[in-house]
Amino acid sequence: EVQMVESGGGLAQPGGSLRLSCVASGFTFSNYAMSWVRQAPGKGLEWVAGISGSGGSRYYADSVKGRCTISRDKSKNTLYLQVNSLRAEDTAIYYCSKDVGTYNDVHFDYWGQGTLVAVSS
Amino acid sequence: QSVLTQAPSASGTPGQRVTISCSGSSSNIGVNTVSWYQQVPGTAPKLLIYSNNQRPSGVPDRFSGSKSGTSASLAISGLQSEDEADYYCAAWDDSLNGVFGGGTKLTVL
Repeated sequence: EVQMVESGGGLAQPGGSLRLSCVASGFTFSNYAMSWVRQAPGKGLEWVAGISGSGGSRYYADSVKGRCTISRDKSKNTLYLQVNSLRAEDTAIYYCSKDVGTYNDVHFDYWGQGTLVAVSS
Repeated sequence: QSVLTQAPSASGTPGQRVTISCSGSSSNIGVNTVSWYQQVPGTAPKLLIYSNNQRPSGVPDRFSGSKSGTSASLAISGLQSEDEADYYCAAWDDSLNGVFGGGTKLTVL
């Protein structure tokens, strides 16, 4: 059974940093592209960052470019998102999502339950 | 505003067929495939359609997808009360990022 469990969210101050983690199981982790998708309270879905199955290609939304780093550890079956210089507009539920293939197509067949990031002083 | 454009709301009665549209551009829907998601408030999104018209196993065949040019559509036939949810389209954009529609809230009257 495919499972993805996010952690690392919480309350952070503006200008601070957080590292989100997503532990995946039930599939061959390195065979699939992965992404982070967020949803601000009462708003729609926003793609944040994606990484290819090999980890060799990484992509970012303009809203987080330069402040976020997506990475993956094959040995730990874990996806990460480092978010720096946090802003109030980063407040959202962050979902870890698995693509149906090796490349980033934004076709997510499995999602984690989400981890809430709240940025406030 | 979102890169992909969806009507904010749609509605239908039980048994009816409803269509939700998604409009993009030559850099996303025009050259890449489209996926559709269903989200019940308070839960994670669920994949309904990928590669324009492919259904994952377990998704009823009442849900179908199509694409023409820079637009895509999700059709739901035999509408049921449990179909009441938010629906999102998504695609890869050749500016090297993923894009979602703003979402359509479907109400079953």
